[in-house]
Amino acid sequence: KNQVEQSPQSLIILEGKNCTLQCNYTVSPFSNLRWYKQDTGRGPVSLTIMTFSENTKSNGRYTATLDADTKQSSLHITASQLSDSASYICVVSPFTGGGNKLTFGTGTQLKVEL
Amino acid sequence: GAGVSQSPRYKVAKRGQDVALRCDPISGHVSLFWYQQALGQGPEFLTYFQNEAQLDKSGLPSDRFFAERPEGSVSTLKIQRTQQEDSAVYLCASSLSFPGDSSGNTIYFGEGSWLTVV
Repeated sequence: KNQVEQSPQSLIILEGKNCTLQCNYTVSPFSNLRWYKQDTGRGPVSLTIMTFSENTKSNGRYTATLDADTKQSSLHITASQLSDSASYICVVSPFTGGGNKLTFGTGTQLKVEL
Repeated sequence: GAGVSQSPRYKVAKRGQDVALRCDPISGHVSLFWYQQALGQGPEFLTYFQNEAQLDKSGLPSDRFFAERPEGSVSTLKIQRTQQEDSAVYLCASSLSFPGDSSGNTIYFGEGSWLTVV
C-alpha cells in the first residue's frame, strides 16, 4: 500500500472553474508536506511546502491545506487556466533528522479545457 | 546556472551498454537526490547525498546502479549493462538543506534524463 495516495487519479475541468485535489498519507511522524506541479516532459516544480504545524499555504491561485490529525492534505486551484494542465504530486517528508525518505504520490493528472 | 541541470536530456542505449547521467545541482546546495520515474508514475527514490557523502542508497535497484558526488557538487549516476526495465526518466534534485529540516526548504528538480534501452 502506497504511503501517499492521491485522488482523483485524473480530472478534466473547464477553464475558469475551480478544483480540489486530495492527498492522504500514512507517513508518520512527518516533517513537511509538499505539492509539486509536473508538466509533461518536465521536472516537478514546487508549489507549496507546509510543515506539520501549518494548516494552509497559498501560492497565487494555488492553496494547500493540511490536517495532520487526519493525515489529509488538499490542493485547491481557483480560476483554472489552460496552463494548469499537468500532473500534481503530493510529497511527504518523514521526520528522520537528516535522512531522506521523501515519499511521492502517483499524482493527479489535471486537464483544463476550453 | 540558475537551476538544476541534467545531461544528457535524452539517451538511447542498446541493451548491455553502460550509461552515465550527469547532474549539476544549484550552487551551494548541500543535498542531492536521484529519482527514477516510470511513465505515469511518481518519482521513486534512488539515492541521496549530503555534500559528498552518500547517506542513503537504499533505492538503487541493483548493483548495476552506482552514483557518486566526489566533490560535493556535480553528481553522476552510472548504470552498467543496461536492461530494458531501466528505461525511465532519471530526475536529479537538490536543496539547500536536508529534507527532514522542519523549515521545509524547497527541493528543486532538474528536467530529467530520459533513458530508453532498446
